[in-house]
Amino acid sequence: GEDVEQSLFLSVREGDSSVINCTYTDSSSTYLYWYKQEPGAGLQLLTYIFSNMDMKQDQRLTVLLNKKDKHLSLRIADTQTGDSAIYFCAESMGNTGNQFYFGTGTSLTVIP
Amino acid sequence: KAGVTQTPRYLIKTRGQQVTLSCSPISGHRSVSWYQQTPGQGLQFLFEYFSETQRNKGNFPGRFSGRQFSNSRSEMNVSTLELGDSALYLCASSSQGQNYGYTFGSGTRLTVV
Repeated sequence: GEDVEQSLFLSVREGDSSVINCTYTDSSSTYLYWYKQEPGAGLQLLTYIFSNMDMKQDQRLTVLLNKKDKHLSLRIADTQTGDSAIYFCAESMGNTGNQFYFGTGTSLTVIP
Repeated sequence: KAGVTQTPRYLIKTRGQQVTLSCSPISGHRSVSWYQQTPGQGLQFLFEYFSETQRNKGNFPGRFSGRQFSNSRSEMNVSTLELGDSALYLCASSSQGQNYGYTFGSGTRLTVV
């Protein structure tokens, strides 16, 4: 199956770290992604990780992948009000080309 | 360079009508995918085109169709619109159908009344 699940809401104070979690069910995932969606906008690719990696860091973003538990997380350091948005994790499998399976999305609210 | 352009941004149609949405990918990108986003179902894959050929199709009824032109621009068509087709339709493009580097457009918000 291609169930990708996320918690719906997360609220953090400005300057704190945010951790957004995602679980997926298909162990044949080859690539996993994090996208950000601001109100009225499309999806912005934040980062991605290959399934043979455990961690990827990109400036304030850190992605952790636990393949055994099929768990993906996105940590945003020093969260800012501009980070308030909906965050989607997504997976794709090599055998389905470029079909992405998206999670339900986590709405991040940053409190000043 | 210009991003993925979707037109129109907003559209209101009546049940039973048909609609055509347009997507212009980033110059040089040959792969175009379409997604439907609704509050209840989230983001669902519609179809993907590469070099004018449909490579993959999601679980949508035959009322949903698409095509890609030789310049990589893509259109999707929905016939016999239903209220449940109200959604944000997102188009994404990438250079060679790679599994990373997909760029999404801002979407077309379709409302069926």
